[in-house]
Amino acid sequence: GENVEQHPSTLSVQEGDSAVIKCTYSDSASNYFPWYKQELGKRPQLIIDIRSNVGEKKDQRIAVTLNKTAKHFSLHITETQPEDSAVYFCAAPPGYNDMRFGAGTRLTVKP
Amino acid sequence: DSGVTQTPKHLITATGQRVTLRCSPRSGDLSVYWYQQSLDQGLQFLIQYYNGEERAKGNILERFSAQQFPDLHSELNLSSLELGDSALYFCASSPGLAGYNEQFFGPGTRLTVL
Repeated sequence: GENVEQHPSTLSVQEGDSAVIKCTYSDSASNYFPWYKQELGKRPQLIIDIRSNVGEKKDQRIAVTLNKTAKHFSLHITETQPEDSAVYFCAAPPGYNDMRFGAGTRLTVKP
Repeated sequence: DSGVTQTPKHLITATGQRVTLRCSPRSGDLSVYWYQQSLDQGLQFLIQYYNGEERAKGNILERFSAQQFPDLHSELNLSSLELGDSALYFCASSPGLAGYNEQFFGPGTRLTVL
């Protein structure tokens, strides 16, 4: 149980619209669900994370929701801006040490 | 700046050669993770060390090996290099175990195998 599926692989939205990226995981041992943003040519950086005892978490224009029963979690970005354009990775570590990322979603925000 | 350093920034070498990539974690972080990112690809987890001990292995080839030293810096050794090994190699550190903690990524080492 180590797969993390992420959809869509690419997403294009108009500035000001919302963007939603979804991830599903298979290992029920996963309890921590981070989202990382990687701008072109740069390192990945954590933008938000959620733990399994919480169903939703918000930080300004970014929110993450978790459905542990269905084993999926989603990243929501509202009022998108051109600087939100990047590749977003979800992760669902199946244990204390292991690390598994989704394949990534390339988000383009058109001005 | 995440506080994680990686050297060298760029590395160009030939097939069949061996290279060593170096990573220094943030001060106080005990965990070091290595990842491979090929062009337009995701982050492939290679291996993790915690306080000098190997703790988890991902999709790491037998030609690759790593270690973490007493001062907590880590090295990733790639041998018998092939064209397909060309990629960006990231290391990341976290204070504890990445299963529950934010990871801080270094700037990466871009390896080109000719």
